[in-house]
Amino acid sequence: AQKITQTQPGMFVQEKEAVTLDCTYDTSDQSYGLFWYKQPSSGEMIFLIYQGSYDEQNATEGRYSLNFQKARKSANLVISASQLGDSAMYFCAMREGLNTGNQFYFGTGTSLTVIP
Amino acid sequence: ETGVTQSPTHLIKTRGQQVTLRCSSQSGHNTVSWYQQALGQGPQFIFQYYREEENGRGNFPPRFSGLQFPNYSSELNVNALELDDSALYLCASSSTRGGGSSYEQYFGPGTRLTVT
Repeated sequence: AQKITQTQPGMFVQEKEAVTLDCTYDTSDQSYGLFWYKQPSSGEMIFLIYQGSYDEQNATEGRYSLNFQKARKSANLVISASQLGDSAMYFCAMREGLNTGNQFYFGTGTSLTVIP
Repeated sequence: ETGVTQSPTHLIKTRGQQVTLRCSSQSGHNTVSWYQQALGQGPQFIFQYYREEENGRGNFPPRFSGLQFPNYSSELNVNALELDDSALYLCASSSTRGGGSSYEQYFGPGTRLTVT
């Protein structure tokens, strides 16, 4: 089974609107971390937001928020007030357990296009 | 603060050859992870180095090997190159404080390897 599933290959959003990018995960560990990264066409992965499995509140970082629903094993990224510069690939990732040597599992990504 | 740097940016090799990719971690970061990202896919974890030793490995054959140096910079070596090794290779650094916690990783711009 896939550890991270992103079911939206491509998404479009009007500038200044909000958009939700979906992510579901699969793990039997109680301790894990969930991450979202942005990858522009230049290729560099840019860290956006992190949610720990024991965090009770949804993480927020500026215009980014993570809608964490533990029972559903989902960790959707919400981008508010979309900007043209938000056009990029977005990847959801998970690290299982507390061992920092544990690998990150990435999804296949969602391509977001912001329309002026 | 210096970010993660990688060299070279692009590389073309012939099947069967060997290649070495280099990564300098972000200032203050002691852990380096390497990822392979094939076209249209999410990054796949190759391995991680901490204190100059391999600290976790993904599902990659032994012809993928690495080194970490006392200054925390790292090399990825790939022997007997195959056509499927063509990909973007990403290096990510993080700060591991022992005991484990899901710290975010900061990625470099990547090295695009083409095997012909």
